Amino acid sequence: QSVLTQPPSASGTPGQRVTISCSGSSSNIGRNTVNWYQQLPGTAPKLLIYSNNQRPSGVPDRFSGSKSGTSASLAISGLQSEDEADYYCAAWDDTLNGHVFGTGTKVTVL
Amino acid sequence: EVQLLDSGGGLVQPGGSLRLSCAASRFTFSSYAMNWVRQAPGKGLEWVSAISGGGGSTYYADSVKGRFTISRDNSKNMLYLQMSSLRVEDTAIYYCAKDVGVLGVAGHFDYWGQGTLVTVSS
Repeated sequence: QSVLTQPPSASGTPGQRVTISCSGSSSNIGRNTVNWYQQLPGTAPKLLIYSNNQRPSGVPDRFSGSKSGTSASLAISGLQSEDEADYYCAAWDDTLNGHVFGTGTKVTVL
Repeated sequence: EVQLLDSGGGLVQPGGSLRLSCAASRFTFSSYAMNWVRQAPGKGLEWVSAISGGGGSTYYADSVKGRFTISRDNSKNMLYLQMSSLRVEDTAIYYCAKDVGVLGVAGHFDYWGQGTLVTVSS
């Protein structure tokens, strides 16, 4: 059972901006940084955003992250067809003493 | 480029055991914590276990605690997951993932293996 809650789906047309929310609690997002992973169909997950808003080398600046209190968000601006994927937020949980993932959001480019 | 190769998956009966392996290369293996993350068919990601770089600290999800054991052999650059008392609900693709830190706490995963499928069924 996932501890972090995300909307199951999000969609937009090419060029639009899409935002995905991630809701947690004081024991995870409230105390620790949030990371985001992108999983393209049939592939392993890939790190997209770390430490709330940092992009690894090679990740386009169309992807951005933010955090406020016990929630976080991932924004994709200038949506492209290759952005169709599942997106997961994740954080360390101090009570569970382990990592927790979000429920996942499927992004569809219309 | 960092490389992680998962192996050891297969079909096993409920109550059985299986050992997964992850061969790591092209980075200083002992300097980083490692993790196992699984994904049931058509479902989301679930963190399973973590181990610190030296192997002295281990962490488990409640769903596998007491049944799974994570270990590593730094001399061979290998990560393992010994799974016992397997249940149907353990059926999933299992990925090994490299942490960015050595402790295994509150980090993020910068590289992932390709995954190995474990099917628990009679």
